[in-house]
Amino acid sequence: NAGVMQNPRHLVRRRGQEARLRCSPVKGHSHVYWYRQLPEEGLKFMVYLQKENIIDESGMPKERFSAEFPKEGPSILRIQQVVRGDSAAYFCASSPSGDRGNSPLHFGNGTRLTVT
Amino acid sequence: DQQVKQNSPSLSVQEGRISILNCDYTNSMFDYFLWYKKYPAEGPTFLISISSIKDKNEDGRFTVFLNKSAKHLSLHIVPSQPGDSAVYFCAASGLGSARQLTFGSGTQLTVLP
Repeated sequence: NAGVMQNPRHLVRRRGQEARLRCSPVKGHSHVYWYRQLPEEGLKFMVYLQKENIIDESGMPKERFSAEFPKEGPSILRIQQVVRGDSAAYFCASSPSGDRGNSPLHFGNGTRLTVT
Repeated sequence: DQQVKQNSPSLSVQEGRISILNCDYTNSMFDYFLWYKKYPAEGPTFLISISSIKDKNEDGRFTVFLNKSAKHLSLHIVPSQPGDSAVYFCAASGLGSARQLTFGSGTQLTVLP
């Protein structure tokens, strides 16, 4: 059973470029969550998506950031016109339902974005 | 506004002894608490959780204690092993925001051989 798969593991972008981060959830999971970890900080919630729907994007910056989880294919976190402050580790997690239930969130290994 | 706080950025413990990691929270709506362990260049790995209806949960060497009146929880690891060296994150969620975990800033645990 493959866990949450994220790619690329490392991404370097120059200021002003676009960054696309991909997340393939655990097979059968239809709920995806993106978190960001800035240096020396804990993870911070960004967005929660269900297939083809954004359920909660309260943690997403209002500009330049967008996320999608299409019917087919991985979830994509897109950052347009990156700035140095976007440099962080971006983690994805998935779950079979939106209920908390008895199953905790399991995370992928993250994408480390460096903006030069 | 940090709703989940881990005030000790680092902790060193001798192998075989007990490690105690602490976490405080301010949001009374939190009713579910988790501990994650994180190695460098990896994602957080779930360790143990506790619901607010309990005050203790144990899983092998790991025990989590919850003191609701003090809004405080702690993770005990006994006996500590060198492989336990990692960053430990405390996280919390409330019923209305089921999967939205609020994380603390982490504590780096080093277990010395």
